[in-house]
Amino acid sequence: EMQLVESGGGLVQPGRSLRLSCAASGFTFEDYAMHWVRQIPGKGLEWVSGIGWNSDSIGYADSVKGRFTISRDNAKNSLYLQMTSLRAEDTGLYYCAKNPTLRAGYSNDRFDLWGQGTLVTVSS
Amino acid sequence: SYVLTQPPSVSVAPGKTARITCGGNYVGTKHVHWYQQKPGQAPVLVIYYDRDRPSGIPERFSGSNSGNTATLTISRAEAGDEADYYCQVWDSSSDHVVFGGGTKLTVL
Repeated sequence: EMQLVESGGGLVQPGRSLRLSCAASGFTFEDYAMHWVRQIPGKGLEWVSGIGWNSDSIGYADSVKGRFTISRDNAKNSLYLQMTSLRAEDTGLYYCAKNPTLRAGYSNDRFDLWGQGTLVTVSS
Repeated sequence: SYVLTQPPSVSVAPGKTARITCGGNYVGTKHVHWYQQKPGQAPVLVIYYDRDRPSGIPERFSGSNSGNTATLTISRAEAGDEADYYCQVWDSSSDHVVFGGGTKLTVL
């Protein structure tokens, strides 16, 4: 069974850093682009960042560019999101999501698998 | 940046047809994907490339896309279809994934 499991969320003060992880199983992780999508509880979905299968293509939403860094370790079947200079508006449930196209960049595709999310709360 | 506009809410009687729209400038030239999200759950892909259904999604779910509007159609609506629905596209001008604001479907 294909599965994504996020971890690393928690309560953090504004201006501090946090690193999220996403563990993949049940599919060949290294062959697929991956993304982070967040959702403020009770609100809509917001794309945060995406990374191609071989890390050659990477993109960020304007709201996080320069503060967040996406990366992947294909040997560990893991996706990461390093978040720095956190703000109250970064609070939300962070989902890890997979593109279904084999060996593609992070662009122009749908999400066929989502994790259950990890909650990040930025507050003093 | 590219904007997708969805109605905040749509209501439908059981057994009737619900239509959820997703408006965007020349959205008909883009591939639109739709997700269903039930309370406390992760989103699930229900339509991709405007009108294709993933395996396991009932035929009652269909999609179309033309001009400035994409539409998700749910035929013979059931209580289990109550959820939030989101449209999504790729904006090539910004290299960003874009989601619509979401539509809450109520079956009553």
